[in-house]
Amino acid sequence: SYVLTQPPSVSVAPGKTATISCGGDDVESKSVHWYQQKPGQAPVLVVCDDSDRPSGIPERFSGSNSGNTATLTISRVEAGDEADYYCQVWESNDDLVVFGGGTKLTVL
Amino acid sequence: QVQIVQSGAEVKKPGASVNLSCKASGYRFTTHALHWVRQAPGQSFEWMGWINSGNGYTKYVRKFQDRVTFTTDTSASMAYMELSGLTSEDTAVYYCAREAGGDWLDPWGQGTLVIVSS
Repeated sequence: SYVLTQPPSVSVAPGKTATISCGGDDVESKSVHWYQQKPGQAPVLVVCDDSDRPSGIPERFSGSNSGNTATLTISRVEAGDEADYYCQVWESNDDLVVFGGGTKLTVL
Repeated sequence: QVQIVQSGAEVKKPGASVNLSCKASGYRFTTHALHWVRQAPGQSFEWMGWINSGNGYTKYVRKFQDRVTFTTDTSASMAYMELSGLTSEDTAVYYCAREAGGDWLDPWGQGTLVIVSS
């Protein structure tokens, strides 16, 4: 089955840029979506289709997808961005939704 | 606005069944599939499957296929999930989420905590 690999944790100072990777075999051939989940809350979509931002999501959130790695980039990180971030794809061969293991973003 | 509201927490004994519901509002219910996803404590998400809200077609992950059932009531914009043969490993927060324009999920319901304990 298809596997998405994320680093367990990323740390960044306020005002700096955070990058969270999501690795998968030929992931660039798939559309990657990203969710933010704060403690005790439901996930919120922050990037869809590799690099599109849903309405209401700050421009500081951006995404890219190339080769075997998709990336979520958060610019000018704020304390409120501290959360778990998950990538997700639709694995069309098996008709399955697949999630990455999640990355805990810590704002120092 | 588009919203999904789920039923309240459940405590069940091993071997029992649980029925969860989600109420959708703010969009035409039959035009978007609904997915069920669960999250065990401290873990990532585990996708369970989806239901076509228009025609009732379902897709279940093989792991759950023998003991999960998704249904909808289109007149009430409600979706339901029944999970039987509960074990402690089914303790998790269960989410209902709308499949949006593409294959991403937005929005998600607030989640329903299911605790399986003797």
